[in-house]
Amino acid sequence: GENVEQHPSTLSVQEGDSAVIKCTYSDSASNYFPWYKQELGKRPQLIIDIRSNVGEKKDQRIAVTLNKTAKHFSLHITETQPEDSAVYFCAASPANDMRFGAGTRLTVKP
Amino acid sequence: GAVVSQHPSWVICKSGTSVKIECRSLDFQATTMFWYRQFPKQSLMLMATSNEGSKATYEQGVEKDKFLINHASLTLSTLTVTSAHPEDSSFYICSASRGYYGYTFGSGTRLTVV
Repeated sequence: GENVEQHPSTLSVQEGDSAVIKCTYSDSASNYFPWYKQELGKRPQLIIDIRSNVGEKKDQRIAVTLNKTAKHFSLHITETQPEDSAVYFCAASPANDMRFGAGTRLTVKP
Repeated sequence: GAVVSQHPSWVICKSGTSVKIECRSLDFQATTMFWYRQFPKQSLMLMATSNEGSKATYEQGVEKDKFLINHASLTLSTLTVTSAHPEDSSFYICSASRGYYGYTFGSGTRLTVV
């Protein structure tokens, strides 16, 4: 089955700096890669996703890149703000399945 | 659109009792639903995949006789934790597949077994 690895487990940045979280996956059949933000005790919230036929996608301060050959994808957050502080999960999805990375706790210091 | 309603949001039960958690897709049909368990400060671990009208597929290490999953209709899947023990205390969350449009999560259920 699919195995997703995520790094780093914790990330602390100064407000206004950029944050990068990286994930690798194992199943070449995975074709959908969502990123979720989760606050304590709440459901994961989709912040951006990318499909295997696209190499990069951007939505305001958030961007995701995908390298299918290397089987890795990354989340980039620019101009970070304190409200970006949360746990972020990457996921990889082959058909009708979805596995999560271990999560990254992002702290943005004001 | 694309809402999954999960109930209850939290439950406290005594050891040895059973607890049922429901997930309903309110405005779409969910052929496939996923059940995850999340321990504090950990990731979401897939427990099982349920398809409407057929038996659920359980992940390795998940006891199917303890975690009963029923997906009787295209809008309802239930997870029953049978003979609950304190180590079953966790955050349980469902996710419904919307095919090309991705996945929609329920709001989660915090189970505490005392």
